[in-house]
Amino acid sequence: QQQVKQSPQSLIVQKGGISIINCAYENTAFDYFPWYQQFPGKGPALLIAIRPDVSEKKEGRFTISFNKSAKQFSLHIMDSQPGDSATYFCAASMTEGAQKLVFGQGTRLTINP
Amino acid sequence: DTGVSQDPRHKITKRGQNVTFRCDPISEHNRLYWYRQTLGQGPEFLTYFQNEAQLEKSRLLSDRFSAERPKGSFSTLEIQRTEQGDSAMYLCASSLVTGVWNQPQHFGDGTRLSIL
Repeated sequence: QQQVKQSPQSLIVQKGGISIINCAYENTAFDYFPWYQQFPGKGPALLIAIRPDVSEKKEGRFTISFNKSAKQFSLHIMDSQPGDSATYFCAASMTEGAQKLVFGQGTRLTINP
Repeated sequence: DTGVSQDPRHKITKRGQNVTFRCDPISEHNRLYWYRQTLGQGPEFLTYFQNEAQLEKSRLLSDRFSAERPKGSFSTLEIQRTEQGDSAMYLCASSLVTGVWNQPQHFGDGTRLSIL
């Protein structure tokens, strides 16, 4: 059962451009939506997270946009840099209970210099 | 600031052997999670502990898998009679849950298991 769908699978962006990754979820009980960055051979590292009571959250070059009615959220990376090249995962969880994360399939981002 | 530590980083074993992985969470964290990640996919939840109590197990966790967290500190994940399909990255994460709100989970760098 695919609870969080992520697109695109891969993305190539020029240095300085904007990278946009999209996710859609099904379970309306989800109330916490983090994004993780993963480099080869490393574990996922938390980038930024949002709760559904706000429509946007910005931290440095990273912004999450959240659309509760459409059950969609996206990650925008401004002024993308070669060091941003990594795999990005969106995730969702419920505050109640285990708070286990349900991950999307991942987006492999390449920033060309 | 020590993060989540996992050992070993890599494990190669023959089909049918038993393997055990260890996770040391961030010291003050009361929750510990195990996830499995296969190539090209996102991590999938396996099980979690609140202090020393194992509170939930995924259907992915067959009876060949067992996890413990004695004294609410480090955790071990054992796989008995390994199969080819067990080849994956096993990730551990920890968090500090003290109230209602969801808390960030911090991941280790995982143990990559390869079954020959």
